[in-house]
Amino acid sequence: NAGVTQTPKFRILKIGQSMTLQCTQDMNHNYMYWYRQDPGMGLKLIYYSVGAGITDKGEVPNGYNVSRSTTEDFPLRLELAAPSQTSVYFCASSYYPIRAASTDTQYFGPGTRLTVL
Amino acid sequence: EDKVVQSPLSLVVHEGDTVTLNCSYEVTNFRSLLWYKQEKKAPTFLFMLTSSGIEKKSGRLSSILDKKELFSILNITATQTGDSAIYLCAVGLNTGNQFYFGTGTSLTVIP
Repeated sequence: NAGVTQTPKFRILKIGQSMTLQCTQDMNHNYMYWYRQDPGMGLKLIYYSVGAGITDKGEVPNGYNVSRSTTEDFPLRLELAAPSQTSVYFCASSYYPIRAASTDTQYFGPGTRLTVL
Repeated sequence: EDKVVQSPLSLVVHEGDTVTLNCSYEVTNFRSLLWYKQEKKAPTFLFMLTSSGIEKKSGRLSSILDKKELFSILNITATQTGDSAIYLCAVGLNTGNQFYFGTGTSLTVIP
């Protein structure tokens, strides 16, 4: 298994540009998440999805959009990039078929470092 | 508002020392507490804790949860330079399957 993969690894955007961060997992996980991590800070949840066709906002959703058309893919869209969106973005997934805490482990992708100038 | 606080923010120790990292939380509908190690890239999973008083152990690392006092500790004994990393604590909730992360503790182990 490749696990959780993210592309691109790095990207520089100009203010107002748009882009999509790709995330794919091959573990058949129901749950997928997008986090951002600013320097010296913990991870903040942007959006998450509990299955194909279902998405929900996390702590910091403004300026982002997501979709989940398949179990494997969970792309994150930035429509009008702003300097405040300069961050490292992590995608994660977990398998959570029922409310069973024993399956809480999250697997993280390698991250995308985004700079908005 | 749900909150996860880690302390200390950073720590510098010598090889062979023992360290204790703290994570306290104030959340509604607690389900689990997770510890991660983050080196240069993505966090990697260390432990998941759901029950009070039951120690989880993996080599030189161990962790325990106190659900009454709302905190967890991560112990690392006989530290090595490879233990240098940011250690993240996250709390999972029963509602919405969200995870709230602390800001992390940066550990540096000096030879």
